[in-house]
Amino acid sequence: SAVISQKPSRDICQRGTSLTIQCQVDSQVTMMFWYRQQPGQSLTLIATANQGSEATYESGFVIDKFPISRPNLTFSTLTVSNMSPEDSSIYLCSVEDLKGSGGLHNEQFFGPGTRLTVL
Amino acid sequence: GNSVTQMEGPVTLSEEAFLTINCTYTATGYPSLFWYVQYPGEGLQLLLKATKADDKGSNKGFEATYRKETTSFHLEKGSVQVSDSAVYFCALSPGLIQGAQKLVFGQGTRLTINP
Repeated sequence: SAVISQKPSRDICQRGTSLTIQCQVDSQVTMMFWYRQQPGQSLTLIATANQGSEATYESGFVIDKFPISRPNLTFSTLTVSNMSPEDSSIYLCSVEDLKGSGGLHNEQFFGPGTRLTVL
Repeated sequence: GNSVTQMEGPVTLSEEAFLTINCTYTATGYPSLFWYVQYPGEGLQLLLKATKADDKGSNKGFEATYRKETTSFHLEKGSVQVSDSAVYFCALSPGLIQGAQKLVFGQGTRLTINP
């Protein structure tokens, strides 16, 4: 299984500023995903990030607000731009394990999350 | 569209009690179904999964059976422990979309086990 680390683990930020979250995987993966978990809520997919191409954003999320980089097969960043208190959430990255059952039923592994508080 | 509905929490039980957390889903086609667990201060971990109708996923004493006729994937454990206290998420994957699995999560159920 893939081992995933995220930096920072938590941060407290002022409104109007931006924060970049890093996600590092210990093996090469094709697909990386970024999720948001708002307080007391479930996880919502923000975008899918493939190496070498633009990220694909889900409905309600835009690149200007959540720019994503994917420079290689083991690393990705998510930036939360021009933050407001409504952006206070846990942000998680996940990867798809291609060494699992393969094909349709690949397993996703999650990082420990970044807890963001915006004042 | 695809959606997952979970039993509302929080759920509080005594140690050694029987646990059921209900999960129903709406999906087109034949999704895979998952239970994820999030222990306090940690990230999500896959607890168990089932990829086709009538499959039973099991792990750490937890079980869930993929019931297509009732579109359900209820989580059960015969005797819970204090260490099972966590938030449990039911999720589905509708299959590959543009080459990627896109998990759809339920709202999560917070479980507290008292000694």
